[in-house]
Amino acid sequence: NAGVTQTPKFQVLKTGQSMTLQCAQDMNHNSMYWYRQDPGMGLRLIYYSASEGTTDKGEVPNGYNVSRLNKREFSLRLESAAPSQTSVYFCASSYSGSGVYNEQFFGPGTRLTVL
Amino acid sequence: SQQGEEDPQALSIQEGENATMNCSYKTSINNLQWYRQNSGRGLVHLILIRSNEREKHSGRLRVTLDTSKKSSSLLITASRAADTASYFCATGLVEYGNKLVFGAGTILRVKS
Repeated sequence: NAGVTQTPKFQVLKTGQSMTLQCAQDMNHNSMYWYRQDPGMGLRLIYYSASEGTTDKGEVPNGYNVSRLNKREFSLRLESAAPSQTSVYFCASSYSGSGVYNEQFFGPGTRLTVL
Repeated sequence: SQQGEEDPQALSIQEGENATMNCSYKTSINNLQWYRQNSGRGLVHLILIRSNEREKHSGRLRVTLDTSKKSSSLLITASRAADTASYFCATGLVEYGNKLVFGAGTILRVKS
């Protein structure tokens, strides 16, 4: 099992460019998450998907869109990149349900720089 | 502001010593989790403790939870150089479903 995979690992964009970060998991998890990590800030939730076909905003959704393509894949899109979106992006997945609390499994991250 | 805040921000100890990290939070939780992050890598889950539990052990890890004080501690016994990493607490808020809110982390350095 590969766990959670993310592509690309590194990316440099110019202000105003768009890109999509890809995430896939092979653990049959129903919930998937996108976080960003900035120095000294810990991880902040951008968007999450509790199950296939549903998505909801997290703490910092502005400037991002997501697509839960199927149960395995959850993509994050930056429509018009800004320097403030320079960060490390992590995708995670878990099996979740009402009253069921489980660990999240994380991908290796994408280091994004916006010039 | 952060829901979970770790203390200390950084900790440096000798190999073989114990390391204690603390996490405080503000609102009611249904579970609290600890994660480790090695430099440049993704987070790895260490341990989960539910709100009705007070203590859990996993190998050299011991986690306590005091819901009356809204705090948790992570103890790593007999630390090794390989324990050098950042450690994050993450709280599952009662009104937040299955999502987690992460603290800013404690940077642990174990010197050999």
